[in-house]
Amino acid sequence: DAGVIQSPRHEVTEMGQEVTLRCKPISGHNSLFWYRQTMMRGLELLIYFNNNVPIDDSGMPEDRFSAKMPNASFSTLKIQPSEPRDSAVYFCASSLGRRNTEAFFGQGTRLTVV
Amino acid sequence: KQEVTQIPAALSVPEGENLVLNCSFTDSAIYNLQWFRQDPGKGLTSLLLIQSSQREQTSGRLNASLDKSSGRSTLYIAASQPGDSATYLCAVSITGTASKLTFGTGTRLQVTL
Repeated sequence: DAGVIQSPRHEVTEMGQEVTLRCKPISGHNSLFWYRQTMMRGLELLIYFNNNVPIDDSGMPEDRFSAKMPNASFSTLKIQPSEPRDSAVYFCASSLGRRNTEAFFGQGTRLTVV
Repeated sequence: KQEVTQIPAALSVPEGENLVLNCSFTDSAIYNLQWFRQDPGKGLTSLLLIQSSQREQTSGRLNASLDKSSGRSTLYIAASQPGDSATYLCAVSITGTASKLTFGTGTRLQVTL
């Protein structure tokens, strides 16, 4: 398996624009997570899905952020409108979703909002 | 709220030394603890997972221990190599059915020649 695949790897956008980040989890994994990493706050969980259903979105910072998982092999994280403070590295991770199983991370998307 | 702390924030050691990285967490009601490695500009690579019922896990030159009651874990790296240079993160799982993780701030390790 190619692992968790995220696209794009880098995104530079202007403030106010819509940004969509994409993630393909490892085949067979039924839990998917979106994390954000910044120098100030480290790694923070934004939202996670189990069997394509959002379970906990308490980490989503504002209504400008939304995430979807239309099927088991694809998820998106959308920011609309984007702001400079959204600049960060966004990671997607997946796991088997059972107790005591490892989480596998993608390479991340580095987002810069200017 | 679970808080995870890692000490030291940065560490530099000469090649060949054995070293210990520390992780502490405030709520001992965890299901497991994972150690990850992150290289600059890269994603996270899982190194070891310790279940709450376990005391330690070993993989090659790495050994991770867990003392759940005191809220501590250590990652021991034997015979360090320059290729071990990276940031090491520990994370605790606070649910049992999915790997919802709370991360520490990491220890940046540099192994010099």
